[in-house]
Amino acid sequence: DAGITQSPRHKVTETGTPVTLRCHQTENHRYMYWYRQDPGHGLRLIHYSYGVKDTDKGEVSDGYSVSRSKTEDFLLTLESATSSQTSVYFCAIGRRDNTEAFFGQGTRLTVV
Amino acid sequence: DAKTTQPTSMDCAEGRAANLPCNHSTISGNEYVYWYRQIHSQGPQYIIHGLKNNETNEMASLIITEDRKSSTLILPHATLRDTAVYYCIVRAIQGAQKLVFGQGTRLTINP
Repeated sequence: DAGITQSPRHKVTETGTPVTLRCHQTENHRYMYWYRQDPGHGLRLIHYSYGVKDTDKGEVSDGYSVSRSKTEDFLLTLESATSSQTSVYFCAIGRRDNTEAFFGQGTRLTVV
Repeated sequence: DAKTTQPTSMDCAEGRAANLPCNHSTISGNEYVYWYRQIHSQGPQYIIHGLKNNETNEMASLIITEDRKSSTLILPHATLRDTAVYYCIVRAIQGAQKLVFGQGTRLTINP
């Protein structure tokens, strides 16, 4: 494993509640990413970070916000969860030379 | 949308070479070809990448055509643990790894 920990691994929440997913790395990599994966779709990029406090939107960023206050942690927040955000969320990290990305084990989120 | 086209599924016998094709006819000069795989419900795993020369590492070989419009990932001696979805992705080498995943190829290794 590449030193990535996602928490929680599983979560069930109610529509309208806020949810925060955490990605923690021990590799001191520059880049961090949040993807979601749904049946019938490949992984889709939500947000990414290229440094502390430096973030940008990905392909499917609506309804999500992120924060990176320190190198090792990248938080994904759903301000008001909806059923369409039921998905498996993967965090990934990448080195400065950017040759490859390492993925976490995923967080399965169910919004009921 | 993904810039690559792959077969939906393939089968291969255990111990044989698995050859996974990928078409990327619109690839740009500054884009590399990357391969990742996803075993069951785990996070994707990097396999290999290349620009125009053939590449080999401990996991696989990557053959890129001279015009760079297609490539083939080769697993030389497939095992049951190689059963996975394989994704072919093109991306620019500079900047963040904003990977665009398509549907990939579901490779099944049969005993």
